[in-house]
Amino acid sequence: EPEVTQTPSHQVTQMGQEVILRCVPISNHLYFYWYRQILGQKVEFLVSFYNNEISEKSEIFDDQFSVERPDGSNFTLKIRSTKLEDSAMYFCASRTVRNTIYFGEGSWLTVV
Amino acid sequence: DQQVKQNSPSLSVQEGRISILNCDYTNSMFDYFLWYKKYPAEGPTFLISISSIKDKNEDGRFTVFLNKSAKHLSLHIVPSQPGDSAVYFCAAIWGGGSEKLVFGKGTKLTVNP
Repeated sequence: EPEVTQTPSHQVTQMGQEVILRCVPISNHLYFYWYRQILGQKVEFLVSFYNNEISEKSEIFDDQFSVERPDGSNFTLKIRSTKLEDSAMYFCASRTVRNTIYFGEGSWLTVV
Repeated sequence: DQQVKQNSPSLSVQEGRISILNCDYTNSMFDYFLWYKKYPAEGPTFLISISSIKDKNEDGRFTVFLNKSAKHLSLHIVPSQPGDSAVYFCAAIWGGGSEKLVFGKGTKLTVNP
């Protein structure tokens, strides 16, 4: 069964460093997303991406964050100048049809 | 922000019995509702969804019921199996073209053998 894959599964970074989280969405999907879950909190929406541009973003997704689809398969989330409060599980997701959104296994980011 | 609420943090049922997971929402502008299952340190796994124009959708052991007047939906799992033990999240998509999934806090289901 096709799946969304994410790398790395876990990353520890020092505060102030830049992090890139990578995702390979399901191959025929056209809509891509990043979500995150801070420990003990809800899964929350960060950004959606369609047709090579951001289609929607949350108030969390400020200038510290950026997304890119550098080639036909990868979808990346860059976090600049990481802060302690960026520590979370980051999930990539993708879809074709609106009512079926598939998530990856997640990337644990720990900022120390 | 409590647009999607799962008021029961946990539920325990016996194997073979029915599990009923509940979800309430506050905004009638949601047009799709989705249920996900999640194990610790893993991503949410899509289970089943329902459009706001329907009141029931069934897929194998999973059935979702939607009561629009009460702004309430439920996921029924029959029969429950020990492998169903996980956290179940209700999520909703805003109508009008939004891409954002709004999640509930989740309900931890334990199915006892």
